Amino acid sequence: GDSVTQMEGPVTLSEEAFLTINCTYTATGYPSLFWYVQYPGEGLQLLLKATKADDKGSNKGFEATYRKETTSFHLEKGSVQVSDSAVYFCALVPNTDKLIFGTGTRLQVFP
Amino acid sequence: KAGVTQTPRYLIKTRGQQVTLSCSPISGHRSVSWYQQTPGQGLQFLFEYFSETQRNKGNFPGRFSGRQFSNSRSEMNVSTLELGDSALYLCASSFGPLAGGSNEQFFGPGTRLTVL
Repeated sequence: GDSVTQMEGPVTLSEEAFLTINCTYTATGYPSLFWYVQYPGEGLQLLLKATKADDKGSNKGFEATYRKETTSFHLEKGSVQVSDSAVYFCALVPNTDKLIFGTGTRLQVFP
Repeated sequence: KAGVTQTPRYLIKTRGQQVTLSCSPISGHRSVSWYQQTPGQGLQFLFEYFSETQRNKGNFPGRFSGRQFSNSRSEMNVSTLELGDSALYLCASSFGPLAGGSNEQFFGPGTRLTVL
């Protein structure tokens, strides 16, 4: 069935380090792909999305490119800040029209 | 513009009881979806309502049900509570249905349900 696999956390980085959080998916057809972020004590917020192959989503310095050949949607940021500490969820909407989430990756950024 | 609101924010119940959670979407949004978040299973889709009709349903037992009113507000009900129902229940609203991901979902802060 449709699923999302993302790297286990926590990911621990120093401020200004480069961030990559891996995400791969299994789905038939051409799903839309998303990254959501959940800050402590808050609900989820949409960070970025891509709806077709080779699309690049970007927001707040974060980027992810929809790679159909590798079924991946890795999240990257060139220089993380302490305020980026949160849990990041990769998700997809396949042709069943259900939002399917990965397990989440906790990011901890230290000054 | 006010965001998605969920009430109550915290709830403690005992096994066998039933519970009703409420979600008020962003003004103008007609689609409401519900999700269950647990440490073990992560975030799982429960159901989606659009214009008072259940449009989609996840793989949950019939004890989980929902409805949507004409003002787009939605309620979720869980009957005969089990310990495993303890979770954060998130509601999300969007202007249109979750069709191919074209409509962005805005999430509420969630209702933390504890079943003793």
